[in-house]
Amino acid sequence: KQEVTQIPAALSVPEGENLVLNCSFTDSAIYNLQWFRQDPGKGLTSLLLIQSSQREQTSGRLNASLDKSSGRSTLYIAASQPGDSATYLCAGLEETSGSRLTFGEGTQLTVNP
Amino acid sequence: NAGVMQNPRHLVRRRGQEARLRCSPMKGHSHVYWYRQLPEEGLKFMVYLQKENIIDESGMPKERFSAEFPKEGPSILRIQQVVRGDSAAYFCASSPVWTYGYTFGSGTRLTVV
Repeated sequence: KQEVTQIPAALSVPEGENLVLNCSFTDSAIYNLQWFRQDPGKGLTSLLLIQSSQREQTSGRLNASLDKSSGRSTLYIAASQPGDSATYLCAGLEETSGSRLTFGEGTQLTVNP
Repeated sequence: NAGVMQNPRHLVRRRGQEARLRCSPMKGHSHVYWYRQLPEEGLKFMVYLQKENIIDESGMPKERFSAEFPKEGPSILRIQQVVRGDSAAYFCASSPVWTYGYTFGSGTRLTVV
């Protein structure tokens, strides 16, 4: 059974800092890995999708990497801004079932002005 | 493109009543997924549907919960005889194919009083 762990659970940084959020998964047989952002009381916004054949994806100040062999993914946020404050979730799509994303518990990020 | 539309956004039901949650997938998406987020917990898979078919319902509670995705109209998640423990945010997601990234709706927040 796939388990996804995110470290740290919470992170507080000053504005402008570069930061890394970590995600690890137990079953390397994932088809893809997706990073989401969730604001309080809101839905999930997809940030980046990395297919299993890819090693990284970039969108603006965000860069996500995937290392299937070690069961790890990282989300790098450059030059953080207060508007980046949210909960960040990673989720792996299992190859075996083909039908479900398994989510981590999330990292709650606060960027202080 | 209106995205994944869920309604209602908020739903209050008394114990023992029925709750019906609706989800209209993005245009061109034939795969629908329901997830539940209990207070202070992560997102958990409930069910995966395609038009007129339930593909994987292994995450659904065995009793009181059902889901459908008819040929015409939105997908419906139905909870009969609601209890306080059903209070949660219910999210719907859709994708064009199961191997592609998911797009989530804003969720329905169910409160059972």
